[in-house]
Amino acid sequence: ETGVTQTPRHLVMGMTNKKSLKCEQHLGHNAMYWYKQSAKKPLELMFVYSLEERVENNSVPSRFSPECPNSSHLFLHLHTLQPEDSALYLCASSHEAHVGIGYEQFFGPGTRLTVL
Amino acid sequence: GDSVTQMEGPVTLSEEAFLTINCTYTATGYPSLFWYVQYPGEGLQLLLKATKADDKGSNKGFEATYRKETTSFHLEKGSVQVSDSAVYFCALRGSARQLTFGSGTQLTVLP
Repeated sequence: ETGVTQTPRHLVMGMTNKKSLKCEQHLGHNAMYWYKQSAKKPLELMFVYSLEERVENNSVPSRFSPECPNSSHLFLHLHTLQPEDSALYLCASSHEAHVGIGYEQFFGPGTRLTVL
Repeated sequence: GDSVTQMEGPVTLSEEAFLTINCTYTATGYPSLFWYVQYPGEGLQLLLKATKADDKGSNKGFEATYRKETTSFHLEKGSVQVSDSAVYFCALRGSARQLTFGSGTQLTVLP
């Protein structure tokens, strides 16, 4: 398998459930990202991992908990979510770039999450 | 901080029409600029990029030129197809690790 894969592609969960989203990249990258895409809103960066260390956390509620066990895998653990958390969750990866070098990010297909 | 402003959509065109989607940016230094495309039900795909002033990125008939003097990176295509219907995002990568995205422009091409 190539590129960035995400599972599951669709997830429906209740507010009391605990679930996890998985992302895997096969590109040899060393930085990984979680984004949230909601209808009619700009893409929101949630977390950034570089060399398996979390380097960015953009004021994301604690009900979202990321995990990066190695440079190829990224998880987003979910618990006690709210209906407004329903969105498309996108994973991306890239080479860790030095300033001024424009390494692009490669995106997975996303997980469509619905919170009831 | 860095920011990207895209023309608001939706944009509806007939097949073979000329397409322009405007994108302007604000950033310190010399950012790299990108256009991503998102087809229905899919993630974002890189369409083209430019890493320095006056560079022209091109792919699948789409082009965009990095204009530092006007801080712009407008996306153009001479003849759109129905299969080009998608959401297009302009983005930049400046001094921060992450990409800064525009709000996206929905394009619908009618046969």
